[in-house]
Amino acid sequence: QKEVEQDPGPLSVPEGAIVSLNCTYSNSAFQYFMWYRQYSRKGPELLMYTYSSGNKEDGRFTAQVDKSSKYISLFIRDSQPSDSATYLCAIPSGSARQLTFGSGTQLTVLP
Amino acid sequence: DAGVTQSPTHLIKTRGQQVTLRCSPISGHKSVSWYQQVLGQGPQFIFQYYEKEERGRGNFPDRFSARQFPNYSSELNVNALLLGDSALYLCASSLDFSATNEKLFFGSGTQLSVL
Repeated sequence: QKEVEQDPGPLSVPEGAIVSLNCTYSNSAFQYFMWYRQYSRKGPELLMYTYSSGNKEDGRFTAQVDKSSKYISLFIRDSQPSDSATYLCAIPSGSARQLTFGSGTQLTVLP
Repeated sequence: DAGVTQSPTHLIKTRGQQVTLRCSPISGHKSVSWYQQVLGQGPQFIFQYYEKEERGRGNFPDRFSARQFPNYSSELNVNALLLGDSALYLCASSLDFSATNEKLFFGSGTQLSVL
């Protein structure tokens, strides 16, 4: 079983839609959960991170963690064409706190 | 301020050859990490260096090696290239390495194609 699994997509939505991106993880000891955004031909950039359970909101973005079901989500409200990118969930683990990434979900927001 | 810079941006090699990829971290950052991203997959951890010492190694064969220099820049070397080594190689820098929520800043990567 992979440590982090992500809904593969691709996902295509109309502008203004609410987008839900999801990952599951296997290790109940994980405490920090991150979402990265990767535009085409660029490196990932940190979008949000959350600690433990609960929600964290930043503008149109909300990160949610449900530790009881080992489920993490990223919601995008009022999606814009500029949100078109690959979204990666990531969890720091190991002695070097290296990131274990999900496989990514490619999102396209159509104008 | 300049972000993480990687060179070259693209590289084409043939099987069996050796390759060296270079990375300059953000000024003031002492930790450099390397990740491999195969098309359609998330990045996979290869190495982390902090203060010129290896602090972590992912599940990659010994053909992969790296080092960090006194100015904190880093090189990733891959010997005896295989077709499966074709990927985007990402370098990330951070201030430190010990905090679980340490923020990583990624470069745009080196796209390696092995023919």
